[in-house]
Amino acid sequence: EAGVAQSPRYKIIEKRQSVAFWCNPISGHATLYWYQQILGQGPKLLIQFQNNGVVDDSQLPKDRFSAERLKGVDSTLKIQPAKLEDSAVYLCASGDYNEQFFGPGTRLTVL
Amino acid sequence: SQQGEEDPQALSIQEGENATMNCSYKTSINNLQWYRQNSGRGLVHLILIRSNEREKHSGRLRVTLDTSKKSSSLLITASRAADTASYFCATDATDSWGKLQFGAGTQVVVTP
Repeated sequence: EAGVAQSPRYKIIEKRQSVAFWCNPISGHATLYWYQQILGQGPKLLIQFQNNGVVDDSQLPKDRFSAERLKGVDSTLKIQPAKLEDSAVYLCASGDYNEQFFGPGTRLTVL
Repeated sequence: SQQGEEDPQALSIQEGENATMNCSYKTSINNLQWYRQNSGRGLVHLILIRSNEREKHSGRLRVTLDTSKKSSSLLITASRAADTASYFCATDATDSWGKLQFGAGTQVVVTP
């Protein structure tokens, strides 16, 4: 069974630039999650989708972060403009509250 | 804020020894899960224990849950070098259905 796919794996940008991450969940999983993991910390949920609707985005900094899940499958997470404190690994997961399957993540460095 | 807090922050043991780490949380939960993260395989689900369960086993893993103390422990028996990783507890709180909150993790190093 194919796992959660994410791209790119690494990204380096200057502050105030824009960046986008892509996620393809496990086939058939209705729920998709985006997490931010800062070095030395656990993952923090940014947004949760159920099919193509948003279930929870309470911790998403909406002034600069946006996410969409068109057609209830793939998802993109965008940061515009990026700040230094956005340097982190961005993890995508699919599954449900019993078990989540994580992708390899995108390591973002903002200079 | 993070719901779960793991203790210790770091743990160094030798192969064959047991490793125990603890997780404390703040609110009522539906279930508590443990995940492992290493550079090779990313973040992987290990085990789930429901709020009405007290102990669960999976291979060399043993998880306990004490809801009265709002705490859980993960025991890895007969550790191997491949167990070197960060271990996170994650809680599914009763007031935030389906939303997992992760702790900061315990970094475990197993030396041959």
